[in-house]
Amino acid sequence: NAGVMQNPRHLVRRRGQEARLRCSPMKGHSHVYWYRQLPEEGLKFMVYLQKENIIDESGMPKERFSAEFPKEGPSILRIQQVVRGDSAAYFCASSPTVSSVTGTTNEKLFFGSGTQLSVL
Amino acid sequence: QKEVEQNSGPLSVPEGAIASLNCTYSDRGSQSFFWYRQYSGKSPELIMSIYSNGDKEDGRFTAQLNKASQYVSLLIRDSQPSDSATYLCAVNSNYQLIWGAGTKLIIKP
Repeated sequence: NAGVMQNPRHLVRRRGQEARLRCSPMKGHSHVYWYRQLPEEGLKFMVYLQKENIIDESGMPKERFSAEFPKEGPSILRIQQVVRGDSAAYFCASSPTVSSVTGTTNEKLFFGSGTQLSVL
Repeated sequence: QKEVEQNSGPLSVPEGAIASLNCTYSDRGSQSFFWYRQYSGKSPELIMSIYSNGDKEDGRFTAQLNKASQYVSLLIRDSQPSDSATYLCAVNSNYQLIWGAGTKLIIKP
């Protein structure tokens, strides 16, 4: 009964390189969310995906950042040409399709361990 | 702009006392409310969910919801040093969870 799996746990990149962060949701979960967190700050929503669809990317910068959740395989958050300001913890979370309580989606997120991105 | 507000703290509570954490939200249509605990350097972990007005108890934790006043709180009885963490309030708004910035709780032995 694996939880949400994120890898790598730590990623070091030099300015200008690309960073790829991977997330495999819990079994049976088809909704994936990516969050970013700076030290001593709260979670900042980036993007919400279902299989093969981006539902909401309003929290993601328009340039250099992209996300996908293909039919097969993990969700990928991709950051091109990284800058020092991209250094942060990136958390992925998944949720079941529909809540048994309210009948709505996005109930009870389950988080992965996060990827700590450090840009040198 | 839908918002969730929390006092950032730190909130310092003696061991064995009751810790009270508060959260207010702006979307009157919200139906689902969650408290997550996050230890330093770790990922958030769901500890309580509440959907209707009143109290919901789970062990040493009690969540309280008042939709008319648009606040949700978390009480931790018999606080332990291991409860020291940041507590994040999250509120469902449409299909999204809106997050507070978290309250840092410190339990002093």
